[in-house]
Amino acid sequence: GAGVSQSPSNKVTEKGKDVELRCDPISGHTALYWYRQSLGQGLEFLIYFQGNSAPDKSGLPSDRFSAERTGGSVSTLTIQRTQQEDSAVYLCASSLGRSSYNEQFFGPGTRLTVL
Amino acid sequence: AQRVTQPEKLLSVFKGAPVELKCNYSYSGSPELFWYVQYSRQRLQLLLRHISRESIKGFTADLNKGETSFHLKKPFAQEEDSAMYYCAPPGFQKLVFGTGTRLLVSP
Repeated sequence: GAGVSQSPSNKVTEKGKDVELRCDPISGHTALYWYRQSLGQGLEFLIYFQGNSAPDKSGLPSDRFSAERTGGSVSTLTIQRTQQEDSAVYLCASSLGRSSYNEQFFGPGTRLTVL
Repeated sequence: AQRVTQPEKLLSVFKGAPVELKCNYSYSGSPELFWYVQYSRQRLQLLLRHISRESIKGFTADLNKGETSFHLKKPFAQEEDSAMYYCAPPGFQKLVFGTGTRLLVSP
């Protein structure tokens, strides 16, 4: 079956522009997660969805970052007025349920480069 | 709050040598821990979890509550084990990853 997909795979943008990153989770997975992977910083949690609601937004680095999920499926992470420090690989993961004991399945990531 | 420490950013060994990737945790609650792995140009994926007590690709990890550790071990490293390894205890509804250890296995 299809795994988690993300688009685009690469995004190069200019400082100050807005970007949208998309995640398609595995069908039937109710939980969806966004992480950021930066060189030297490891994996950083951004936001978690259970269904369409986001009970944990604690990892969003600033109010320029937002995310939504519609229909309990596709999620979009939006970064407004991008800055160079936003450059990273953005990973999406999904799991069967909201318990963190469930295995998370990761997408291939979107590599964002802000010039 | 859940916290993990992976003290080594890079671990370099020769093929056939034993390898131990260290992970220490500071954690309240039931310590269910995971190891995730990311091979070059592949997705991050689950390697093993403590509760299953299984050996995956020759790797094992023992939870030591006294030392609050969950080190990943393999008696004889292979070149294909070269990858980035992340230790993670579950936070409530999310994973809190360590900073990761890059394992390089040389021929």
